[in-house]
Amino acid sequence: TQLLEQSPQFLSIQEGENLTVYCNSSSVFSSLQWYRQEPGEGPVLLVTVVTGGEVKKLKRLTFQFGDARKDSSLHITAAQPGDTGLYLCAGVANTGNQFYFGTGTSLTVIP
Amino acid sequence: KAGVTQTPRYLIKTRGQQVTLSCSPISGHRSVSWYQQTPGQGLQFLFEYFSETQRNKGNFPGRFSGRQFSNSRSEMNVSTLELGDSALYLCASSLLFRGTYTDTQYFGPGTRLTVL
Repeated sequence: TQLLEQSPQFLSIQEGENLTVYCNSSSVFSSLQWYRQEPGEGPVLLVTVVTGGEVKKLKRLTFQFGDARKDSSLHITAAQPGDTGLYLCAGVANTGNQFYFGTGTSLTVIP
Repeated sequence: KAGVTQTPRYLIKTRGQQVTLSCSPISGHRSVSWYQQTPGQGLQFLFEYFSETQRNKGNFPGRFSGRQFSNSRSEMNVSTLELGDSALYLCASSLLFRGTYTDTQYFGPGTRLTVL
């Protein structure tokens, strides 16, 4: 059982479409991070959300942290082929000190 | 500034053997964390070292061990390899002890271990 469940697991969309990736848990997190990993490389941090209800925008990417700090979402507007990759949420649950990664969402944007 | 480097990038071993992976963090970073990534289990935390001391450990058997040297370089060792140990092993460095959650982790490209 994974502490952080992501959905969908796989996503294949056309260039220009919008999409949302979800990260859910039954545990409370002090903060959540989103990473993107491309083939042959390690994950790269995109954003850290700290406050319940917080919304952060990075160009076409919008990140939201749930009010109860148990869930988060990543919304991409007008997806581009360069957005292709594995998206991972991650964080430290309030119940301990271990860093958990989500199950991952593999995104493919078709030109 | 050079990024996190991991050696070797690829490794093939047979069951029962042991393996040592190396990680050189970004200059000035004192925290090194190790992760295992597999298609079935995703990314899982192995352990974190800070100032040569193991600060956190994930749920892995004792066959998985590590250490950190005074220059912050870290090694990870897996003894008595099993088929299920085949995975991408990622190392990440950060400036501070990662318990400071706002500190950014920088990942290396990983070592792809195949156990036959």
